[in-house]
Amino acid sequence: EAGVVQSPRYKIIEKKQPVAFWCNPISGHNTLYWYLQNLGQGPELLIRYENEEAVDDSQLPKDRFSAERLKGVDSTLKIQPAELGDSAVYLCASSPGLAGGETQYFGPGTRLLVL
Amino acid sequence: SQQGEEDPQALSIQEGENATMNCSYKTSINNLQWYRQNSGRGLVHLILIRSNEREKHSGRLRVTLDTSKKSSSLLITASRAADTASYFCATDEGTSYGKLTFGQGTILTVHP
Repeated sequence: EAGVVQSPRYKIIEKKQPVAFWCNPISGHNTLYWYLQNLGQGPELLIRYENEEAVDDSQLPKDRFSAERLKGVDSTLKIQPAELGDSAVYLCASSPGLAGGETQYFGPGTRLLVL
Repeated sequence: SQQGEEDPQALSIQEGENATMNCSYKTSINNLQWYRQNSGRGLVHLILIRSNEREKHSGRLRVTLDTSKKSSSLLITASRAADTASYFCATDEGTSYGKLTFGQGTILTVHP
């Protein structure tokens, strides 16, 4: 079974430029998460989808961040414009169902460096 | 925001020794999970313990949960060099299904 796929793995951009990250969850997983992980810290949830609906986006900085999950499968996270403080690892995870407390399966992450 | 604190922040041991990591949290939880992260990789789920459980085992892993003290510990027995990684606890507070709040992690180094 293929795991969670993310691309790109690394991205270097200049500040004020836009950037987008893509995630393909495990087949059949209804729930998809985007996390932000700063160096030396644990992941922090940005947004959670149940199928195509964003059910928790309270931690997403909506002035510059946006996300979508068309058709309830793949998802894209976008930053526009990027700031220096956005340099971090962006992790995507998925889980099978709607109930809380289930195991989450993580992708390898996209490491973003904003210059 | 981070739910809890992990202790120690870093742990260095020799192969064959046991490693114990602790996690404290602040609010009531439905369950607590432990994840491992190798350098430059995503997180891998290790074990889940529910709020009505006190101890759980999986291979060389032993997790305890004390809800009265709002704390958990992860014990790795007979450690191997391949166990070198960061270990994170994550709590499901139940207020928002599926939302995990991670601690800051413990960096474990196992020397061959």
